[in-house]
Amino acid sequence: ETGVTQTPRHLVMGMTNKKSLKCEQHLGHNAMYWYKQSAKKPLELMFVYNFKEQTENNSVPSRFSPECPNSSHLFLHLHTLQPEDSALYLCASSQDLREDIYEQYFGPGTRLTVT
Amino acid sequence: KNEVEQSPQNLTAQEGEFITINCSYSVGISALHWLQQHPGGGIVSLFMLSSGKKKHGRLIATINIQEKHSSLHITASHPRDSAVYICAGGGSNYKLTFGKGTLLTVNP
Repeated sequence: ETGVTQTPRHLVMGMTNKKSLKCEQHLGHNAMYWYKQSAKKPLELMFVYNFKEQTENNSVPSRFSPECPNSSHLFLHLHTLQPEDSALYLCASSQDLREDIYEQYFGPGTRLTVT
Repeated sequence: KNEVEQSPQNLTAQEGEFITINCSYSVGISALHWLQQHPGGGIVSLFMLSSGKKKHGRLIATINIQEKHSSLHITASHPRDSAVYICAGGGSNYKLTFGKGTLLTVNP
């Protein structure tokens, strides 16, 4: 238990569906992250939020839409996904943005399958 | 561009063996994170270090700043250590650069 929870843990959706992934951290951190992990590839940073403000969009297609209503919650809204979007989506949080000072705490991930 | 290279990609050991996983990184990275990912996906941060050596139980992480190299050692390995170990470089630009991971299998 890292203090970061994600729901759902598994999600199967069709290409025309709309779904949302939820992340919640109970650590009092200010920064939150979405990562994508595809098979046999390193983790890819998708989005970064600091104090609810988006500080990074790593050229992510618009079919992925993040939302950060407060420092404890982060959502990833999904619509009209493609089969190649099937992956493990990981949420993480850290005290602040300095990755040479602060560790990141990861959630358990959502295993997404797009059919 | 920050880069992180890990070796080996796959490692099989017998229970009790001493294990070493290596990580080399490029200029711009000032801290190294070691992460563990078990089947099922969840990632746990093992260490973050920017100098010297850290130890936690049977795990030891070292970093050589001049050579831009870090190692993760596991002493008296156990089947429950089987996982993917990932090194990631951090700098002041808040983005972690991840290695491809080392799949460790420890056989009983």
